[in-house]
Amino acid sequence: GQSLEQPSEVTAVEGAIVQINCTYQTSGFYGLSWYQQHDGGAPTFLSYNALDGLEETGRFSSFLSRSDSYGYLLLQELQMKDSASYFCAAHQGYSTLTFGKGTMLLVSP
Amino acid sequence: KAGVTQTPRYLIKTRGQQVTLSCSPISGHRSVSWYQQTPGQGLQFLFEYFSETQRNKGNFPGRFSGRQFSNSRSEMNVSTLELGDSALYLCASSLGQGGDEQFFGPGTRLTVL
Repeated sequence: GQSLEQPSEVTAVEGAIVQINCTYQTSGFYGLSWYQQHDGGAPTFLSYNALDGLEETGRFSSFLSRSDSYGYLLLQELQMKDSASYFCAAHQGYSTLTFGKGTMLLVSP
Repeated sequence: KAGVTQTPRYLIKTRGQQVTLSCSPISGHRSVSWYQQTPGQGLQFLFEYFSETQRNKGNFPGRFSGRQFSNSRSEMNVSTLELGDSALYLCASSLGQGGDEQFFGPGTRLTVL
C-alpha cells in the first residue's frame, strides 16, 4: 500500500521552532509537498521538494531525503496564526497526491 | 485571478440517493483532482482529470465517478449514497504538470442521513 506517517499533534510556543516529520512508503514517488489547512478552510500549498535537500521559503523550510523516504517541514519564529493542520503529500505521477493524515500544530502564547 | 469554486457548499441527502458536485478550476488550469476529507481518514484521493480524460483513480468504489468538460470544469457523482459518504469533498486545480502546486476550492460538505 501507499502510506505517509506524520505525528498527529505538535505543540509549541510563539517564537519557537518546530519540526514536523513525515515518512513515506509509496510507489512511483516524484516528490513531497506540504500543505497547511486552517480549521474550516481549504488546504493551501506551502512547499515542494523533488530533490534531496532543503527548500526555504520565508519562515518555512522543507527537507527531503529520498534514500530515507523521509521529509520534514520546519517552521521558525512561530506565530499564533500558524496554528493549523499540516499535511505532507507524496506526488505519484502528474497531479496525484497521497496525503498523510495531518499534524495539528497548536501554538500558544 | 479567481480561485477554485465549488458548488454547492453544503448538501444534505439521505441514504440511497445520488449527488452531483461541481468544481470550476482556475482559468488556464487543465487538471482537476478530487479528494474526500473525513476526520478519521484524512484527505483521500478520488480521481484526477486532465483535458477531459481521467488520468488517475484512487481506491474508491465504482459509486464514485467523475467527468471533465471541455472548459475544464469538473463534476463528481456519488450514487447510492451511504452514511459513510458524509465528508468534505475538495477539488483542486493545477496546470497538470508533475509537482506543480494544487489550488484547492472551499469544498462541498456532504451530509448523508
